[in-house]
Amino acid sequence: DTGVSQDPRHKITKRGQNVTFRCDPISEHNRLYWYRQTLGQGPEFLTYFQNEAQLEKSRLLSDRFSAERPKGSFSTLEIQRTEQGDSAMYLCAGEATGRNGYTFGSGTRLTVV
Amino acid sequence: QKEVEQDPGPLSVPEGAIVSLNCTYSNSAFQYFMWYRQYSRKGPELLMYTYSSGNKEDGRFTAQVDKSSKYISLFIRDSQPSDSATYLCAMSRNFTGANSKLTFGKGITLSVRP
Repeated sequence: DTGVSQDPRHKITKRGQNVTFRCDPISEHNRLYWYRQTLGQGPEFLTYFQNEAQLEKSRLLSDRFSAERPKGSFSTLEIQRTEQGDSAMYLCAGEATGRNGYTFGSGTRLTVV
Repeated sequence: QKEVEQDPGPLSVPEGAIVSLNCTYSNSAFQYFMWYRQYSRKGPELLMYTYSSGNKEDGRFTAQVDKSSKYISLFIRDSQPSDSATYLCAMSRNFTGANSKLTFGKGITLSVRP
């Protein structure tokens, strides 16, 4: 248990459908990050939250993607009108002030068919 | 050119070998340099981090950073089959807070043969 839970672990969806992923960090994680990792590549930054405020978004985060962190606790990442190119592992990471860097969850693997 | 380039793999070594993993980068603003280990179907876990240039040792692992050459390395001594995983280098401007988003290399898969 890394302290960051992600749900679901695997999602298969048809092209054009909407999907939503959830990330539950521990309470000390005031910062929360979303990354995307495609096969054979390193994770790429998508967005990050300081408490409930979304402070930065990557150009990778097209208008089909939206992320929220209501009340600064759990976070959701929604992808609308999924495309095959969205197939990837979506990783969430939590970070606490003064602690030793990120703690990643085990990710949600999305397959768009 | 990507901001972070990592030596391609995969890499297969016999148990007990010394392993050298390397990355180069182009962004001079990077100050923190990290190595993550990732097992199949899991998220990355932080192995070591180094601030600026220098060496850092932790057990069988040694991280080196040469900012003048924009080159970082991870050495694994007395490699074990349990070290078999994908190793990712990552860099950021800050270690925590603002500008701490990570830029990763593509990773190299290491296999240690018993």
